[in-house]
Amino acid sequence: NAGVTQTPKFQVLKTGQSMTLQCAQDMNHNSMYWYRQDPGMGLRLIYYSASEGTTDKGEVPNGYNVSRLNKREFSLRLESAAPSQTSVYFCASSMGGVETQYFGPGTRLLVL
Amino acid sequence: TQLLEQSPQFLSIQEGENLTVYCNSSSVFSSLQWYRQEPGEGPVLLVTVVTGGEVKKLKRLTFQFGDARKDSSLHITAAQPGDTGLYLCAGRRTDSWGKFQFGAGTQVVVTP
Repeated sequence: NAGVTQTPKFQVLKTGQSMTLQCAQDMNHNSMYWYRQDPGMGLRLIYYSASEGTTDKGEVPNGYNVSRLNKREFSLRLESAAPSQTSVYFCASSMGGVETQYFGPGTRLLVL
Repeated sequence: TQLLEQSPQFLSIQEGENLTVYCNSSSVFSSLQWYRQEPGEGPVLLVTVVTGGEVKKLKRLTFQFGDARKDSSLHITAAQPGDTGLYLCAGRRTDSWGKFQFGAGTQVVVTP
């Protein structure tokens, strides 16, 4: 089992460019999450999907869109990247509720 | 504004010493989790506590959930260099099923 995989690992964008961060899990989990991690801020929830076909906003959804393509995959899209979106992005999955969240290795994004 | 306040932000100790990390909030949580994150990786769950006053022990790590379910602590006895990492607490509020809010983290460095 690969667990939670994320692509790409690193990305450099120019302001205004768009990109999609991919996330997939092979643990048959119901819930999937996108977080961003900035120095001194911990992890902040961007979007959340409780189950296939549903998505919900987290703390910092502005500038992002998500798609729960199927039970395995949850993608995060930046339509017009801004320097404020420079961060490390983590995808996670869980069975839901209080269950353990399993995190991917992260995508490091730099927006110039 | 962080819903969960962690203290201290940084802790540097010698091998063999004890340490305590705190996670405090004015909100009530239905459950609270502690994660450890190493550089370049995603967080890994250490423990979940769900009952006010609950104490859980994992080898040299002791976790406590406050009676009012607003705070938690992590105590490490006889710290080892392998305990070095970023410790994050994450709370699930009673009104937000499945969504966790993270603290900013405590960076712990244990030197030989």
